[in-house]
Amino acid sequence: EDQVTQSPEALRLQEGESSSLNCSYTVSGLRGLFWYRQDPGKGPEFLFTLYSAGEEKEKERLKATLTKKESFLHITAPKPEDSATYLCAVSGGSNYKLTFGKGTLLTVNP
Amino acid sequence: DAGVTQSPTHLIKTRGQQVTLRCSPISGHKSVSWYQQVLGQGPQFIFQYYEKEERGRGNFPDRFSARQFPNYSSELNVNALLLGDSALYLCASSFSGRQETQYFGPGTRLLVL
Repeated sequence: EDQVTQSPEALRLQEGESSSLNCSYTVSGLRGLFWYRQDPGKGPEFLFTLYSAGEEKEKERLKATLTKKESFLHITAPKPEDSATYLCAVSGGSNYKLTFGKGTLLTVNP
Repeated sequence: DAGVTQSPTHLIKTRGQQVTLRCSPISGHKSVSWYQQVLGQGPQFIFQYYEKEERGRGNFPDRFSARQFPNYSSELNVNALLLGDSALYLCASSFSGRQETQYFGPGTRLLVL
């Protein structure tokens, strides 16, 4: 069974203080690893898709990386508007579903 | 471009009632998936449909059912509602549902009293 573990559960940063979120996964035959951002009471907003180990993608202050066992979401010089829950999900094997972690609640203080 | 749309946005029901949630995918997308998200947890997979056929089902009881229409929109039905069915119900669409990205709608917040 696919499993995704995200850490830390919550992270509080000062504006401009860079950090990383971790997503460890177990999946049989990775099809893709996905990062989403979710604001309270809203649907997840797509950020990145990674397909193979060594792949990296960037968007503004965010950079996602992938190894065979985990993915990192690096946040450089975060701003208060980056505050949200960040969700990691995997799709693997013959399944088409996404298996999500519980998310990391990021708070960026001004 | 319009994203995934869901209706209604909020719903209050009582135990034992039935509910129908609706989803319209992004134009050109042929696959729709349904997820349940309870507070503090990640979304849990319920169903995936592609070209009106069920392609996957999560660990949910038979009280949950869904269907997809020729225009690729979808409905999720939940019968005999329980208090534990209170959650945010999310619909996601993708072109074919394989390893492409799934794009989520705003969700329907269901409260069962």
